[in-house]
Amino acid sequence: DAKTTQPPSMDCAEGRAANLPCNHSTISGNEYVYWYRQIHSQGPQYIIHGLKNNETNEMASLIITEDRKSSTLILPHATLRDTAVYYCIVRVGGGTSYGKLTFGQGTILTVHP
Amino acid sequence: GAVVSQHPSRVICKSGTSVKIECRSLDFQATTMFWYRQFPKQSLMLMATSNEGSKATYEQGVEKDKFLINHASLTLSTLTVTSAHPEDSSFYICSAHTIREPGTNEQFFGPGTRLTVL
Repeated sequence: DAKTTQPPSMDCAEGRAANLPCNHSTISGNEYVYWYRQIHSQGPQYIIHGLKNNETNEMASLIITEDRKSSTLILPHATLRDTAVYYCIVRVGGGTSYGKLTFGQGTILTVHP
Repeated sequence: GAVVSQHPSRVICKSGTSVKIECRSLDFQATTMFWYRQFPKQSLMLMATSNEGSKATYEQGVEKDKFLINHASLTLSTLTVTSAHPEDSSFYICSAHTIREPGTNEQFFGPGTRLTVL
């Protein structure tokens, strides 16, 4: 699975959009981009995923560049409860190793009042 | 949404004892479950992949005789830490895998179990 690079930490003001970048320059054509987050002392929570088109759900939007070498997770109106570690993970959607997720260090997002 | 539970949420035990942690998918069937371990201020590390009705596949460096995994049904997997020692103290998290459409590859995580070995 392709390796990802994320900034170790970011700050965001409450009510503003939080834009979390992720570089995955070695991504393969059959690999998806997944985002999870982990609030302190809890299990990770699935946020969103995409292959090449931009995606939006009730939690966030995912913008993937045309060359697919990077992506941005957007939390449109961050709240204090969005403070968490955000993990960007790239992996194939199927195949013999399907289901396996490799977590990097992620980005610690701190939302402040 | 898909819900995964873990029991117990936290456990304290004496060194040398064994501890069993249960992971259940409450509203869906999961042919594959995963067990992770997370030390303080570190990321999640996959320990093993558990498939219903077959032996678990362990990641390199994880002792299969120490961390016994049983996936007896499509909704239950158990992790037993045998002869626990203080260095086994960690946050253990399970996840259950489901596919609702091609490429979703969604994993739903349990809330975790905090193990402290005295």
